[in-house]
This record gives sequence, structure tokens and C-alpha cells, in this order.
Amino acid sequence: SAVISQKPSRDICQRGTSLTIQCQVDSQVTMMFWYRQQPGQSLTLIATANQGSEATYESGFVIDKFPISRPNLTFSTLTVSNMSPEDSSIYLCSVGVDYEQYFGPGTRLTVT
Amino acid sequence: QKEVEQNSGPLSVPEGAIASLNCTYSDRGSQSFFWYRQYSGKSPELIMSIYSNGDKEDGRFTAQLNKASQYVSLLIRDSQPSDSATYLCAVILGTGFQKLVFGTGTRLLVSP
Repeated sequence: SAVISQKPSRDICQRGTSLTIQCQVDSQVTMMFWYRQQPGQSLTLIATANQGSEATYESGFVIDKFPISRPNLTFSTLTVSNMSPEDSSIYLCSVGVDYEQYFGPGTRLTVT
Repeated sequence: QKEVEQNSGPLSVPEGAIASLNCTYSDRGSQSFFWYRQYSGKSPELIMSIYSNGDKEDGRFTAQLNKASQYVSLLIRDSQPSDSATYLCAVILGTGFQKLVFGTGTRLLVSP
């Protein structure tokens, strides 16, 4: 497995602003993922972030709204841009180890 | 048809009983299957992975896979109140790339 941390753990933001979420893992991993979990719902993959290449976004998610950086094998960021109340959600990063994925503690975002 | 389907529950069992959680998936070519446990307000925790037909046991947990029926289950023996959580079934659809698709989760309630 892996030890994963996320910052911030929670935030309250005003609409129209942006928030950058950081994900740090204690070992080098090739594959990192960003998910969203809206209240009372399951997880939805936003994008896959591989070091040295552009992130791959899932249907319904675009780079202008959710830009991702992956500068090295232990770190990634997800930015939620031009936020609206519909972006209120928990954002989770995960890392792939062989075929398994392990999740960070999540960032609870509330947009007012 | 959803890619990964679970009964949302809640599934209520008394302490000490066996809890049986079920999941079906749509892609017959899928090879990797996972069960996550998610406590309220926490991130998903991987508890079982299974790749071959049959049973896989780990402590009080047994995962069962039947690829012909496209069915995966999780049995929890000697259920404890601390097992009360939402259990998420996740499948890597197809082969290779680690794109996990999650079911909506089954809420388990274990009463003392």
C-alpha cells in the first residue's frame, strides 16, 4: 500500500474562485488518479495523472475546469477553477500499486 | 445497464451474523475486482481484491468471484457493529489500464 496525504482537508470557497488541492504520496508511483464524490453518491473518476504526460480526462470533465499537474512521481495537484455551488463535493486522490488503488483522506469542498 | 451495480441497502444484520454483499458488472472481459469499505466522512479503504474465479479469504472477509455470471460478492463473518459502513464494489473494466469503476455502494448496518 501507500501513505497518502491531501491538503487542504476541507475548505469553504466563494463562487468564481479557484482552489488547488495537493496530493502527496510516501513512495514513487506511476499512476495517480483524481476522483469526485458528491454528497450521498459513489466515486466518479475525474482524470488520470501520469508523470511526464498530460492528464487523461474522463467524459464530462475538462482541463480548463480541472487542470492537473504531476511534476514528479510522489506529488500531484488538482485545481477546481471558477467554482460554482455544484462543485461542492469531496475530492479524492488515489495511487495505483500494481492493480490496486489506495485513496488519500480527501478534501471536502463547499462552494457558497 | 450500469457498469457496476449494487443494492444500495441498507442491509441490516445482527451482531455475529454473516453479512452478504453482492455486485454485478457489465463487461465480461473484466479481470480485476475490489471491495472497499467507507465509513461516513472517511475515504474508501481497500479491504479485498480478487482476480480469479472462486473464493478468497482474509480473516472474517471472503470475496467470491464468478466471471461466467459476472458476479462478485463479499461475505463478512461474525459481523461486528464496527463493520457498519458503506461497502463499494469496484471493477477494472476490460483489461490492463487501471480505470476503476465503482458501484453506488451498499450500506451495512450491524446491530448489537
